[in-house]
Amino acid sequence: ETGVTQTPRHLVMGMTNKKSLKCEQHLGHNAMYWYKQSAKKPLELMFVYSLEERVENNSVPSRFSPECPNSSHLFLHLHTLQPEDSALYLCASSQGRGVSQPQHFGDGTRLSIL
Amino acid sequence: QKEVEQNSGPLSVPEGAIASLNCTYSDRGSQSFFWYRQYSGKSPELIMFIYSNGDKEDGRFTAQLNKASQYVSLLIRDSQPSDSATYLCAVNSRTDKLIFGTGTRLQVFP
Repeated sequence: ETGVTQTPRHLVMGMTNKKSLKCEQHLGHNAMYWYKQSAKKPLELMFVYSLEERVENNSVPSRFSPECPNSSHLFLHLHTLQPEDSALYLCASSQGRGVSQPQHFGDGTRLSIL
Repeated sequence: QKEVEQNSGPLSVPEGAIASLNCTYSDRGSQSFFWYRQYSGKSPELIMFIYSNGDKEDGRFTAQLNKASQYVSLLIRDSQPSDSATYLCAVNSRTDKLIFGTGTRLQVFP
């Protein structure tokens, strides 16, 4: 148990579908992150939220839309995705968003786009 | 040059040996260094982190920093088959992001 819970664990969707990924952290942290992990590639930072405010959008296509309603929950809304978006999507949290603060990861959502 | 580079491996070591994992980084101003372990199908798990002020030992794990040569190492003493995983190195960037390497796969054989 990492203290960061992601649902669903697996998701298969067509390119025209709309779905959402959910992340919940039970660590009392105030910063949350979305990462994309593709085979043979390093983790790519997508979004950063600090105190529920988006502070980082790392040139992510608009078909990915994050939402952070409070410091414990983070969503990633998906629509009209492409096959190259198939990957493992990881949520992480930390106490503060300075890079000196360790980030703790959830188990991820394995996303497959048909 | 990649910002954070790791040999993809696999690095194979016998049980009980010392496994040495290395990571080089390009930003000379980096000050925070993290090692994560990731088992297949699981999330990255933080093992150790060090700052630019020195090395760190925690049980069987030692993280060492060589600022002059811009690399950070993770040593695993008395390696166990359960240590078999991919080890990810992460370094802070001058834009205040964590930059990850692609990871080194470690195999510890009995």
